[in-house]
Amino acid sequence: NAGVTQTPKFQVLKTGQSMTLQCAQDMNHEYMSWYRQDPGMGLRLIHYSVGAGITDQGEVPNGYNVSRSTTEDFPLRLLSAAPSQTSVYFCASSYLGLAGGNDLTFGAGSRLTVL
Amino acid sequence: AQKITQTQPGMFVQEKEAVTLDCTYDTSDPSYGLFWYKQPSSGEMIFLIYQGSYDQQNATEGRYSLNFQKARKSANLVISASQLGDSAMYFCAMRGETSNDYKLSFGAGTTVTVRA
Repeated sequence: NAGVTQTPKFQVLKTGQSMTLQCAQDMNHEYMSWYRQDPGMGLRLIHYSVGAGITDQGEVPNGYNVSRSTTEDFPLRLLSAAPSQTSVYFCASSYLGLAGGNDLTFGAGSRLTVL
Repeated sequence: AQKITQTQPGMFVQEKEAVTLDCTYDTSDPSYGLFWYKQPSSGEMIFLIYQGSYDQQNATEGRYSLNFQKARKSANLVISASQLGDSAMYFCAMRGETSNDYKLSFGAGTTVTVRA
């Protein structure tokens, strides 16, 4: 099935641990992004990429790293987890270009709890 | 920089009635796109409707329509004939289309509860 696949769906970490949230899409989308969703704050952009080898920071990048070695994959790394990173994380992708729409296709989300 | 403002944290609507969700935005990009997404309690994000800044007509998709007032920088979502399944959180979002800035920025969301 075409779409955005995120793993894991749930994760509990201890403060200071590291982990990687995986994201893969099979739609040949150039644009991929990571958001975090916290109550009352909507979705805030962490990092994004417009193609393999190209990444940039979003609104809340601190504490997170990304890389884009292939078109399909865009993993999000937490190097030293903090309780403030407890959140629901969404990966989303789309085509680039000015054609109408090019709305994001979202993954199912990953709920991360840092104790 | 882009900014999206949704001032209604929560709304109640009676089944079969219409509801309008407010969204205002700020951008320096002369060409941009506006999006609405729905997030039901199950958590997935569902794309509803898109409006381009140079579109002459307001976008419509079934029971969803976008009331686009460019001069006022508003892009309100209207849901007609509300159904119980419309109970969800709704997010307004925007993306610049002329710069090399492809980021999609979201508002804080509005929770809609449809009453039988």
